[in-house]
Amino acid sequence: DILMTQSPDSLAVSLGERATISCRSSQTVLYSSNNKNHLAWYQQKPGQPPKLLISWGSTRESGVPDRFTGSGSGTDFTLTISNLQAEDVSVYYCQQFFSTPGTFGQGTRVEIK
Amino acid sequence: EVQLVQSGAEMKKPGESLKISCKASGYTFTNYWIAWVRQMPGQGPEWMGIVYPRDSETRYSASFQGHVTISADRSISTTYLEWFSLKASDTALYYCAKVSAGTYYLLDHWGQGTLVTVSS
Repeated sequence: DILMTQSPDSLAVSLGERATISCRSSQTVLYSSNNKNHLAWYQQKPGQPPKLLISWGSTRESGVPDRFTGSGSGTDFTLTISNLQAEDVSVYYCQQFFSTPGTFGQGTRVEIK
Repeated sequence: EVQLVQSGAEMKKPGESLKISCKASGYTFTNYWIAWVRQMPGQGPEWMGIVYPRDSETRYSASFQGHVTISADRSISTTYLEWFSLKASDTALYYCAKVSAGTYYLLDHWGQGTLVTVSS
């Protein structure tokens, strides 16, 4: 199985500032035939299911604010939340959808400082 | 609007059987895989397996193969996750999720979750 490792486990950021979350996969999730990274980011608020924010490494889902940005390629990825808002307090997970069993990272908790 | 509505919380004893459900609406049910996902307290989600409602083809994670059964009834747009002999370690929150077209593991819509508690 591909191991997904996120850092940090938690971070506290002031309102309006930037939060940066890293995700590293134990092997590449870049599919050479279509040159796409099979990497997704989800947001999970307390008591709610995960919500898909970004797919293919950097493609925002419909309705996701543009302050959420996904970047990276191969094995190293970043989720950046610019201009942090109170409603962004959540746990964020990366997931590889390159190979079975579509493993998730352990999560990064974002809080307000 | 895509909606996945799961059955309610369950409390069972070790060794008992259980079948939980997930009813889909708002899209063509038979055109997309449905996944089941486990989330244990304080941990990341785990992809358990998928079912293709058109022909009931299933695929499982090796970690869950043989311990759970995933099925679908396309006549009522519903998928199921079933255990024949529960263990205390099955205590978790279980989600169903619609799989994004062209993938097996990208989950674009999720149910609200079903809490399963297994305790003697």
